[in-house]
Amino acid sequence: KAGVTQTPRYLIKTRGQQVTLSCSPISGHRSVSWYQQTPGQGLQFLFEYFSETQRNKGNFPGRFSGRQFSNSRSEMNVSTLELGDSALYLCASSLSPGTSYGYTFGSGTRLTVV
Amino acid sequence: KQEVTQIPAALSVPEGENLVLNCSFTDSAIYNLQWFRQDPGKGLTSLLLIQSSQREQTSGRLNASLDKSSGRSTLYIAASQPGDSATYLCAVSSREKLTFGTGTRLTIIP
Repeated sequence: KAGVTQTPRYLIKTRGQQVTLSCSPISGHRSVSWYQQTPGQGLQFLFEYFSETQRNKGNFPGRFSGRQFSNSRSEMNVSTLELGDSALYLCASSLSPGTSYGYTFGSGTRLTVV
Repeated sequence: KQEVTQIPAALSVPEGENLVLNCSFTDSAIYNLQWFRQDPGKGLTSLLLIQSSQREQTSGRLNASLDKSSGRSTLYIAASQPGDSATYLCAVSSREKLTFGTGTRLTIIP
């Protein structure tokens, strides 16, 4: 079965612009969560969605937002990009949140802000 | 607040050796613990998932143990191979999110 699909794989944006990243979970998985990975901070939780509702949010500024559609696909948006937003953004899917099923990750979107 | 620590941060061993990676966490109220592997610039590949009620899980040359009461997990890799070189991350699932350790960068020397 198809895994977690993230698009695009690579992205270069200018400071001040906004960006939208997409994540398609494994078929049947209804929970999608997002993580930011940087060399300095490691992997940090952004937010989790289940059935189109945000269930949990990490400690990130309001410039980071997301949504989930009825087909469980999720998008993450970052507005007014800063140089520090350069990171690998990873999406994970699971059958449901707070679950014993574990998480499956996509290959990530590498965002570079110049 | 859950905190996850991995020791050592980096490890180099000759091919063929058995090795142990360590993970500790501060809050024992977890659903499960997952070990992941990450190759440079890539996403995370799940290696083993241990439920909170389990003590260990095995997959091929990999064995992971969990002692929830003491907040510790170990990943044992038998007969290491150059292809095992990667960063290994443990993550605990609680409060509807994963909290990751900082990882152990493993290098297997041919």
